[in-house]
Amino acid sequence: GAGVSQTPSNKVTEKGKYVELRCDPISGHTALYWYRQSLGQGPEFLIYFQGTGAADDSGLPNDRFFAVRPEGSVSTLKIQRTERGDSAVYLCASSLTRTINTGELFFGEGSRLTVL
Amino acid sequence: DAKTTQPTSMDCAEGRAANLPCNHSTISGNEYVYWYRQIHSQGPQYIIHGLKNNETNEMASLIITEDRKSSTLILPHATLRDTAVYYCIVEGSNYKLTFGKGTLLTVNP
Repeated sequence: GAGVSQTPSNKVTEKGKYVELRCDPISGHTALYWYRQSLGQGPEFLIYFQGTGAADDSGLPNDRFFAVRPEGSVSTLKIQRTERGDSAVYLCASSLTRTINTGELFFGEGSRLTVL
Repeated sequence: DAKTTQPTSMDCAEGRAANLPCNHSTISGNEYVYWYRQIHSQGPQYIIHGLKNNETNEMASLIITEDRKSSTLILPHATLRDTAVYYCIVEGSNYKLTFGKGTLLTVNP
């Protein structure tokens, strides 16, 4: 389909390992967001890209988390030295353009990360 | 962004209208009200948004009070597939949505 695609859908890793999560936004969408969602909570903002640049990374919890979007399309969320507290569903969303407000965000199904 | 208050859970009978309230008493003039929903194990889905006027689309209606301190999302004929967590969000000009815990709407047969 033409929706936001996230891979892998499930990832199990061991504490201390490095993890990459990928997001393919809807074609032509310039804005891309990463959120993470813990059990029983609403999605928590991590980072927002407009084009290739991170316009707002204020939600990244610490320097173990990093995200890139080198060509303004696909984005990768990178987590170093994973901890058990990083276990969550990581959601990606994209939107068509930056207007006076967020507009409609299209979310992917998420990548469920489990750190053992 | 303004904080929102929503009931933790609500029930609705299938075929009846579901009215989901949201309080946002600290909303400022340029902040929009957004509604998203999240069906179990799926990503959130946009429903509707508005600034001042009431809005309607194929999914729902959004009623915003004149003072803008509260709003109601109306699903006119709820179905079992509408069972989900519904999030009311107030978003300003910082281009990010801050989700709370939302309202779990359960539509009963």
